[in-house]
Amino acid sequence: DAGITQSPRHKVTETGTPVTLRCHQTENHRYMYWYRQDPGHGLRLIHYSYGVKDTDKGEVSDGYSVSRSKTEDFLLTLESATSSQTSVYFCAISDEGRWEKLFFGSGTQLSVL
Amino acid sequence: KNQVEQSPQSLIILEGKNCTLQCNYTVSPFSNLRWYKQDTGRGPVSLTIMTFSENTKSNGRYTATLDADTKQSSLHITASQLSDSASYICVVTPATNAGKSTFGDGTTLTVKP
Repeated sequence: DAGITQSPRHKVTETGTPVTLRCHQTENHRYMYWYRQDPGHGLRLIHYSYGVKDTDKGEVSDGYSVSRSKTEDFLLTLESATSSQTSVYFCAISDEGRWEKLFFGSGTQLSVL
Repeated sequence: KNQVEQSPQSLIILEGKNCTLQCNYTVSPFSNLRWYKQDTGRGPVSLTIMTFSENTKSNGRYTATLDADTKQSSLHITASQLSDSASYICVVTPATNAGKSTFGDGTTLTVKP
């Protein structure tokens, strides 16, 4: 998967607990993204980063925060997990430029009980 | 609101047959349109990109077409194989913000022997 590692691959947690998902890339790409994928909704952008410490919100950012302290790592934090955040989370990266070919990780299946 | 609609939602064909998947979009101004293939349990992988000036592009047995006037694209799969069973996702990127691509919900293709 183009040098992208997501961890953990599976996570079960309880409502109200904080959860952090990690995305690590070895491609030195500038842009990194977090998406969630739910049946009937397709992939929806949560947050993205266009450089170290530079992030912006996507269309479904409420309840999520991100951090990027190094080029290779992009963290997604669910501050207080809710059942509606049960989903498959994908990290993606892309190189400079407007053609935006996205390379995706293998995903993290998160279940909030 | 930018939208991408794909049809059919699901499709079952016999191995060796051809099929065509459709994508209609309202994203404007338009930059490019990509088709991704997503195998079960994996992240999407880019198949092809279409820019405004391109009408047809092939990638092996996959041929994508674009009509920028009617804002429609199609993905034609020739001589289908069992390994073509996957979800096919249409993604449209606006010219104004490369970080805000819009994803379709995908077409689930099942190829049966």
